[in-house]
Amino acid sequence: GNSVTQMEGPVTLSEEAFLTINCTYTATGYPSLFWYVQYPGEGLQLLLKATKADDKGSNKGFEATYRKETTSFHLEKGSVQVSDSAVYFCALSDRNYGQNFVFGPGTRLSVLP
Amino acid sequence: SAVISQKPSRDICQRGTSLTIQCQVDSQVTMMFWYRQQPGQSLTLIATANQGSEATYESGFVIDKFPISRPNLTFSTLTVSNMSPEDSSIYLCSALPGLTTDTQYFGPGTRLTVL
Repeated sequence: GNSVTQMEGPVTLSEEAFLTINCTYTATGYPSLFWYVQYPGEGLQLLLKATKADDKGSNKGFEATYRKETTSFHLEKGSVQVSDSAVYFCALSDRNYGQNFVFGPGTRLSVLP
Repeated sequence: SAVISQKPSRDICQRGTSLTIQCQVDSQVTMMFWYRQQPGQSLTLIATANQGSEATYESGFVIDKFPISRPNLTFSTLTVSNMSPEDSSIYLCSALPGLTTDTQYFGPGTRLTVL
């Protein structure tokens, strides 16, 4: 079946550091890929998405590129802020499975001032 | 997109009681889902709430424990029945606006503590 793997956290960075959170997936079809963010005490918010190979999703300074050859969708940001502290979930949606999502385990990011 | 609200936002309940969580979407949506997020964990799909018919449950979840209603295209409820401390989790509602869309939108969650 489909699955999503993320780098284990927690990740602790200083403000203005470069961020990479690795995500790889396994899917039988042609999934759409997503990054969701969960701030403390809140639900999930869509951060960015990509629907086909070589697409780049971007939002709020975050970027991720859909790499079919490496089945990856790594999240990057050039300069993190304290307000980016949250849990980040990589996910895929495969139309062959009724649009149900498969989530990765989540990566907790803490950004220190 | 879709804006989703949930009630209550949090609750503390006694063992053996039941709690009904409400999920309201600001527009008609094709599909609604209920997830559980245990402390420090990822999301686990409980069921798909089907409008006008019985919900479709994932392996490990049963209707007697988690009855779900979806009377129309904007509203759903999840009941957590006969609660035990193991049911302490965040329960999240999500919606898929249309069959041609692939993005789920999530509510803020209901944080449940069972004593």
